Amino acid sequence: AQSVTQPDIHITVSEGASLELRCNYSYGATPYLFWYVQSPGQGLQLLLKYFSGDTLVQGIKGFEAEFKRSQSSFNLRKPSVHWSDAAEYFCAVRTGNQFYFGTGTSLTVIP
Amino acid sequence: NAGVTQTPKFRILKIGQSMTLQCTQDMNHNYMYWYRQDPGMGLKLIYYSVGAGITDKGEVPNGYNVSRSTTEDFPLRLELAAPSQTSVYFCASSGTGQETQYFGPGTRLLVL
Repeated sequence: AQSVTQPDIHITVSEGASLELRCNYSYGATPYLFWYVQSPGQGLQLLLKYFSGDTLVQGIKGFEAEFKRSQSSFNLRKPSVHWSDAAEYFCAVRTGNQFYFGTGTSLTVIP
Repeated sequence: NAGVTQTPKFRILKIGQSMTLQCTQDMNHNYMYWYRQDPGMGLKLIYYSVGAGITDKGEVPNGYNVSRSTTEDFPLRLELAAPSQTSVYFCASSGTGQETQYFGPGTRLLVL
């Protein structure tokens, strides 16, 4: 079965600092990869996705992610975090018609 | 354009009761999905549909049933509620290519 690992359950960063959220997946072929954000009490919103091509993908809200096949990773980054980025972040993999989500990383932003 | 709507927002069920969670999308999407989200567990796919009349099991289908009679609606049925089904349920839809999933606001279900 496919699996997605987000090793960091919770991360705290200062506003203006850089951010990197880790995601590793297990899948034989190149998967379709996604990052979603969930604000409290809300549904999930797509930040960015990777299907093929350039391994550095840009998303909304200033986020980017890099696909590294050799490390089976798809880490999410942002150069300067804003207080409004505080939320839960989920990495996901699609294989066929099924999606597999990681357990999420909760981000706290301190002033 | 409402996107994906879910009803109810919150429900308390007694063990053994049944209920249907409603999901409607107005984007004419072929694909629809039901997930459950438990604390610290991420989202797990329960069922999905690739079009009207076609449904298939996801990762955690036991205890649930679905139907897809129209493109817009994808209800999730719980026949005999159990405490293990206490969760937040999300419905989502996507168009051809499944590049972007659009999520509803969720239904919080408590089974006592």
